[in-house]
Amino acid sequence: DTGVSQDPRHKITKRGQNVTFRCDPISEHNRLYWYRQTLGQGPEFLTYFQNEAQLEKSRLLSDRFSAERPKGSFSTLEIQRTEQGDSAMYLCASSFARQDTLFPYEQYFGPGTRLTVT
Amino acid sequence: EDKVVQSPLSLVVHEGDTVTLNCSYEVTNFRSLLWYKQEKKAPTFLFMLTSSGIEKKSGRLSSILDKKELFSILNITATQTGDSAVYLCAVPPGRYGNKLVFGAGTILRVKS
Repeated sequence: DTGVSQDPRHKITKRGQNVTFRCDPISEHNRLYWYRQTLGQGPEFLTYFQNEAQLEKSRLLSDRFSAERPKGSFSTLEIQRTEQGDSAMYLCASSFARQDTLFPYEQYFGPGTRLTVT
Repeated sequence: EDKVVQSPLSLVVHEGDTVTLNCSYEVTNFRSLLWYKQEKKAPTFLFMLTSSGIEKKSGRLSSILDKKELFSILNITATQTGDSAVYLCAVPPGRYGNKLVFGAGTILRVKS
């Protein structure tokens, strides 16, 4: 399967614990995005990487959240000191975008990691 | 603030019916609009629209964009139970479109 993959698919944790999610993008894609989706809402942008550089972070991304993409391939999203409000589906997406063009491109999503904080 | 609004929020139809889903947007530096289908997993890409009045078609699904009136519609003809899903509309705002702003989605349920 050459799509975007995410691990784990489900995570149940107690409030105050740290959790880490992993995303493996489509191999030739240079951009990687993290979104969060709660019930009844569309995905909300959290952050994105161009290769290994984190170029934009949403105001939704509090200082308890950190994301990395160390070698420009897979990415991790860590949430420290989880709160019940962090319960959501965390979606990863990837795309290929040329820097020398403004041509629009589509993003392809992974299956998501569903986080439940008890 | 960039905004994407979808209507209706939910819809129940019978197999064989035709449905029209709506998406209106207000974003800076519009370049494209994307439609996704989401079942109980990842959103799957359907269409990307960049030009007004040009219909994109894939099987029983089609979509068109009106850049003057700032909206798009997604049509599904001869609906099947497998079309039951949440349909999401998204726009990448800004000059470089580095993220997607999504609407809340339309929940479609097709009854057999």
